[in-house]
Amino acid sequence: SYELTQPPSVSVSPGQTARITCSGDALPKKYAYWYQQKSGQAPVLVIYEDNKRPSGIPERFSGSSSGTMATLTVSGAQVEDEADYYCYSTDSNGKGVFGTGTEVTVL
Amino acid sequence: QMRLVQSGPEVAEPGTSVRVSCKTSQFTFGNSAVQWVRQTRGHRLEWIGWVVLVTGNTDYAQKFQERLTITRDMSTTTVYMELSSLRSEDTAVYYCAAKLGASTAFDIWGQGTMVTVSS
Repeated sequence: SYELTQPPSVSVSPGQTARITCSGDALPKKYAYWYQQKSGQAPVLVIYEDNKRPSGIPERFSGSSSGTMATLTVSGAQVEDEADYYCYSTDSNGKGVFGTGTEVTVL
Repeated sequence: QMRLVQSGPEVAEPGTSVRVSCKTSQFTFGNSAVQWVRQTRGHRLEWIGWVVLVTGNTDYAQKFQERLTITRDMSTTTVYMELSSLRSEDTAVYYCAAKLGASTAFDIWGQGTMVTVSS
């Protein structure tokens, strides 16, 4: 089955830039979406269609995609950005797939 | 602003079925859809399947094809997810999420429903 692979963890100091990658063979033809999930809460969409930011999401969150890799960038990470982050896309049959998830630590 | 309100926690015995509901505050026609996602304790999000609201058309993840049914009731604007032949590995938090109209993003989420499979 189709897989989206992310690094298990990323650690940055406050104010630094965190980059989270998502690798998948179908990404050249499919959009990537990014969700932030804090402990005990439902996921929140932070990036859609590779690089668009929903209203209410801080400008420090940005996305890009090139070839088989999509990247979520948090520029000037804040302590409140500590969370798990998941990429999401669809496979060649249009079925949804989530990435393996990345735990972001800001300290 | 559309909201999704899910039904309460469930405890079910192995081999039985569970049905979780997702009440929407409104239905928007066109390509609006509701998907179901689950998360076992300490694990990643897992896509289960979705339903297109106006047509009722569904698509399921391969691993759930045999025991999953997603339906919607237009009169009550409620979407249902029923999983049968439950096993302990199905213990998880189940979320519904919606995308409205021409949007491609599932950006509206329910609060989650804890389903525990235990004898």
